[in-house]
Amino acid sequence: NAGVTQTPKFRVLKTGQSMTLLCAQDMNHEYMYWYRQDPGMGLRLIHYSVGEGTTAKGEVPDGYNVSRLKKQNFLLGLESAAPSQTSVYFCASSPSTSVIRYEQYFGPGTRLTVT
Amino acid sequence: RKEVEQDPGPFNVPEGATVAFNCTYSNSASQSFFWYRQDCRKEPKLLMSVYSSGNEDGRFTAQLNRASQYISLLIRDSKLSDSATYLCVVNMSPGGGADGLTFGKGTHLIIQP
Repeated sequence: NAGVTQTPKFRVLKTGQSMTLLCAQDMNHEYMYWYRQDPGMGLRLIHYSVGEGTTAKGEVPDGYNVSRLKKQNFLLGLESAAPSQTSVYFCASSPSTSVIRYEQYFGPGTRLTVT
Repeated sequence: RKEVEQDPGPFNVPEGATVAFNCTYSNSASQSFFWYRQDCRKEPKLLMSVYSSGNEDGRFTAQLNRASQYISLLIRDSKLSDSATYLCVVNMSPGGGADGLTFGKGTHLIIQP
């Protein structure tokens, strides 16, 4: 049982390049999330999904797109990377039971640098 | 604006001591509360949920004070391995929705031998 995995672990992009971050979970969780964490800031929600085929915007969605074609995968895309998107990106998942609780399980993170 | 506030620390505490820190939240309608632990350059991991009646898990005790809108975390008999950043997380969505989780910036705890 791998839990939540993320690929890649590290990436350096040049301004204007694109990339996709992959998140996979094997816990059969309904909900999945993408966060970014910057120094001196709390985790901020980029996008989330409450089920296969659905996505919704979080607090800081601009510059990112997501897709949830399969229940176990949640992809985060950067179409044209900017230096302001340099951050650590965490994916998380949570079960849909105990609806108000949302105990989240996080992946190990992707460290992205945009030069 | 939804806010979760924490003292960033660092809290420098000798091994074996008891340490406590609080977290305040801005939305009185908040539904659920958590403490997460995050080690340096690692992902956050759930430490404990915080229930209305308070709850204890080994050396860790969490309390919720709805009237004053804060939660607290108490660590007894602190160990070197307790050194980490502790994140306060509050679901401030009125309906408790998946987009309502708001993270504090964390309190940095250093246990000294």
